[in-house]
Amino acid sequence: DSGVTQTPKHLITATGQRVTLRCSPRSGDLSVYWYQQSLDQGLQFLIQYYNGEERAKGNILERFSAQQFPDLHSELNLSSLELGDSALYFCASSVGGGTPWEKLFFGSGTQLSVL
Amino acid sequence: EDQVTQSPEALRLQEGESSSLNCSYTVSGLRGLFWYRQDPGKGPEFLFTLYSAGEEKEKERLKATLTKKESFLHITAPKPEDSATYLCAVLIQGAQKLVFGQGTRLTINP
Repeated sequence: DSGVTQTPKHLITATGQRVTLRCSPRSGDLSVYWYQQSLDQGLQFLIQYYNGEERAKGNILERFSAQQFPDLHSELNLSSLELGDSALYFCASSVGGGTPWEKLFFGSGTQLSVL
Repeated sequence: EDQVTQSPEALRLQEGESSSLNCSYTVSGLRGLFWYRQDPGKGPEFLFTLYSAGEEKEKERLKATLTKKESFLHITAPKPEDSATYLCAVLIQGAQKLVFGQGTRLTINP
């Protein structure tokens, strides 16, 4: 158990809908990262938050947004969902937020299916 | 364009049969190379970080090495519980993100 909690584990929704994925980092970790994993794209970095502030941005679509709250949990919001958004979404956490990055602790992911 | 390529895509070994997984990278500047293990239905689990050419790290039956162009994950006398997908990722200089390879799916048959 990595100590990173993601909910829900599975999410089935329809095209055009909006969903929210939630992540609680390990106790004491200040950084939260969101990744998308699909069969054809592999593991793709979406966005990082450090202590409530956006720190780095990857291949995140404009339809997607995230935030980190004062208690350090994070939410990833996906809107106007398309079939191609179906994927496994991982949250990871680490102690710091600077570079070089030390090891990330990943949650078990949320499997999103858009029908 | 920064690229990370892992080979082979899949590898099937008999228990006790040693082998190596490859991760080659083409990046503008390497700050670190990471190896992760991913079991089905779970998130990746950290194994090693390597920062400079010539560096080696070991953990049980696994040893990771790094050159200027690639990294190898050597697995010695593997057991069925070593079956997993092994991911490598690079931290690129000037970028605040890890770039992951597609992974090698390793199966160890008893």
